[in-house]
Parts: sequence; C-alpha cells; structure tokens
Amino acid sequence: AQSVTQLGSHVSVSEGALVLLRCNYSSSVPPYLFWYVQYPNQGLQLLLKYTTGATLVKGINGFEAEFKKSETSFHLTKPSAHMSDAAEYFCAVTLSGGYNKLIFGAGTRLAVHP
Amino acid sequence: DTGVSQDPRHKITKRGQNVTFRCDPISEHNRLYWYRQTLGQGPEFLTYFQNEAQLEKSRLLSDRFSAERPKGSFSTLEIQRTEQGDSAMYLCASSLDTQYFGPGTRLTVL
Repeated sequence: AQSVTQLGSHVSVSEGALVLLRCNYSSSVPPYLFWYVQYPNQGLQLLLKYTTGATLVKGINGFEAEFKKSETSFHLTKPSAHMSDAAEYFCAVTLSGGYNKLIFGAGTRLAVHP
Repeated sequence: DTGVSQDPRHKITKRGQNVTFRCDPISEHNRLYWYRQTLGQGPEFLTYFQNEAQLEKSRLLSDRFSAERPKGSFSTLEIQRTEQGDSAMYLCASSLDTQYFGPGTRLTVL
C-alpha cells in the first residue's frame, strides 16, 4: 500500500527566506510523485511532478523538488519565499503510469510573514 | 482549454436531503476522478471513471453515494439522505496522465 507523510502541518518563514516542505512516501513499486498547492476555497493546482528520469524537478513559481529513492523523500523547496506563496501544500503519490488514484498527505500550511 | 469546472461551488442542505454535484472535465480527458476533502486533511479518493466506465470505488463511498458519467463526458455525484458527516469539499479531477483539479463543491449539511 502507498502512503505519504508530510512532516510539519504548519511552516512559517520570513519573506525572502528559504522554503522547505518535507514529504516522505511509502510505495512497494516505483512511484510517481506530485506537489499540489491549494489557496483558500479553491481546488488544487499542480506545482510539479516526478515520473522518471531526472530526480531534480522544477515546477511553477520557482519551486523545485528532488526525488531521493534511498531516503524515500520528495521535499519541496524554494530559495526565496514570497508573500503570495502562503497557501496549503499537498504531496501525493500514485503508482507508475499515473493513471491511478492519488494518495495525498495531510498537507502543510505555509505562512509567509514580512 | 477551459479547465475542470464544478457546479455548484457551494451547497447548504438539511440533514436527510439529497444533493447532486456536477463535474465537467477538460474536453479531451478520458479519466475523471472524485475526491473528498475535510477540514485540515488532504483529499481522499472516492471513485474514478475511464470514459463512461466506473473502474474503482473507495470504501468511503457508502451506498448513499452514487456517481455516473453517462456519455464519458461530464459526471455527477449524488449523495442521498445526507448526514452531517458528509460536510466536506468535493473535488473533481480529470486526466490523460496528470490529474487536473476543479475548484470543488463545498457541501454543508445542517
């Protein structure tokens, strides 16, 4: 069975500081991994995804994530936080092929303060 | 590309009433998914369709819930005899490979 653990339900950073949101996954088969962002009262927007190939994945809005198989991790980073990055972030996993259901973590709420 | 749309965006109903939600996927997407998200949690899978065929249903989908995708285009999710525990955001996603989400329908059961 697949699962996702997001460490830290709330993360607070200063504007301009590094953003690091942690995600660890469990999967018995090679996973596809995703980060989605959700703004209040809205649906989920895809930030980036890892399928195969390069383990460092770049996404929208300056975010990137690195797939580390040995650590079963897929942490999300951004070098410099912006006020507009304040939102809820979800890590998700699915089986290779990406056609199956997404299994989500519980989410991390990112606050950015001046 | 108009994205995934859902209607209504908000629904308030009384316990025991039936409600129906609609999802219109991105036009060329053959797969359609329904998820439920409660406050402070990540979305949980409910069911998915490939074209008009319903291929998987979660155990979360009790017999009060039914979903259809009659012509392989839009989908409906109906909840019969709503309970307060059904209050949640209901999200629809469509895909060819990557899932793209709609804005959701927020259901409040009084």
